[in-house]
Amino acid sequence: GAGVSQSPSNKVTEKGKDVELRCDPISGHTALYWYRQRLGQGLEFLIYFQGNSAPDKSGLPSDRFSAERTGESVSTLTIQRTQQEDSAVYLCASSLVVEGAGEGDEQFFGPGTRLTVL
Amino acid sequence: QKEVEQNSGPLSVPEGAIASLNCTYSDRGSQSFFWYRQYSGKSPELIMFIYSNGDKEDGRFTAQLNKASQYVSLLIRDSQPSDSATYLCAVNMLGFSGGYNKLIFGAGTRLAVHP
Repeated sequence: GAGVSQSPSNKVTEKGKDVELRCDPISGHTALYWYRQRLGQGLEFLIYFQGNSAPDKSGLPSDRFSAERTGESVSTLTIQRTQQEDSAVYLCASSLVVEGAGEGDEQFFGPGTRLTVL
Repeated sequence: QKEVEQNSGPLSVPEGAIASLNCTYSDRGSQSFFWYRQYSGKSPELIMFIYSNGDKEDGRFTAQLNKASQYVSLLIRDSQPSDSATYLCAVNMLGFSGGYNKLIFGAGTRLAVHP
């Protein structure tokens, strides 16, 4: 079946504008994660959703960042009043099972959205 | 202390040698451990996962886990130039809802295999 898809693949915006990034998880995957990866750096956890539970927003860097997900479907990450330090690749991942140890915990990544804030 | 620590490298090994990549983690309650490979400009792809102490082998790759020492490693045998990439260690950690459902990544180790 189809993997995780993200859109747009590239986004160039001006400082101060709002942007919306979209993620389509693998069908049936209950958990969805957003990460940020700055150039040459590791993955920075932003937020995760699992089913209809309250999302874990502990990684969001500021209140300019928010994310939504309806049920187990598409998620959007919104960055308001973008700043140059927001420039990064934003990666989305989904997994089948979230609870503790178990083969379903593996995360499958989308191709990412490269955001450039001028 | 960072939650998941890796040496950034680069780790340079000759073709055919064994590459050894190491990772330590802070949360003693962590149960799931993953190794991802990331080529430049690409998304991470899963290589291996390990849940139990000891070794787990898959082809040229062996993952080793020592929960007492909070240490996980990845060995790549018969290294090839195509193995040159950044290797990310990921560990599940206590999440917002009280379950171990938050995956935290190390910064990655860059591996360079030279002919």
